[in-house]
Amino acid sequence: SQQGEEDPQALSIQEGENATMNCSYKTSINNLQWYRQNSGRGLVHLILIRSNEREKHSGRLRVTLDTSKKSSSLLITASRAADTASYFCAPGGGGNKLTFGTGTQLKVEL
Amino acid sequence: DTAVSQTPKYLVTQMGNDKSIKCEQNLGHDTMYWYKQDSKKFLKIMFSYNNKELIINETVPNRFSPKSPDKAHLNLHINSLELGDSAVYFCASSQQTRGLGIQYFGAGTRLSVL
Repeated sequence: SQQGEEDPQALSIQEGENATMNCSYKTSINNLQWYRQNSGRGLVHLILIRSNEREKHSGRLRVTLDTSKKSSSLLITASRAADTASYFCAPGGGGNKLTFGTGTQLKVEL
Repeated sequence: DTAVSQTPKYLVTQMGNDKSIKCEQNLGHDTMYWYKQDSKKFLKIMFSYNNKELIINETVPNRFSPKSPDKAHLNLHINSLELGDSAVYFCASSQQTRGLGIQYFGAGTRLSVL
């Protein structure tokens, strides 16, 4: 297993702006998942991108994956105050173990 | 219906006590997990069970003992609690066999050891 490292650690933007957060990992993967954690809650799965995919969309979320650079990005467009949360990436090597990092703490201000 | 439920939500106890946290999932998943999240938000896996069999056992003090009576339940018992055990503990489940391995988390148990 391996740990994803999210960057930046913290991000503060205005409502309506786009938010981009990045994830880097070290070894080969089968897929990569992004999760959101609202304050005081458990993680919620957002999106999974397979290693043979380059981009995936879900609503206002856009995820890219560059396996040659071992990196992924999560873009949230037209952000809302409700998007305020921590975002975690989890590179998946094919087993059932996901290793999370410390996440990107996103704050969307009105 | 809550998919992954864990109890209690809050647990405040004295050093040296023994406590248990319970977890149940009604998703029909074959794999369950326990994670510990520290004050810096670092989420670390502790244990994982697949169909009642222990498959992941990270470097965790043996004061922590998971028990899975069936594949829908995974409980965590902690003996001789220490100050450093204070954290939020999350239970999760996923379908690994013929599944994508997407994990579903409970709401967490905030443990405070005084």
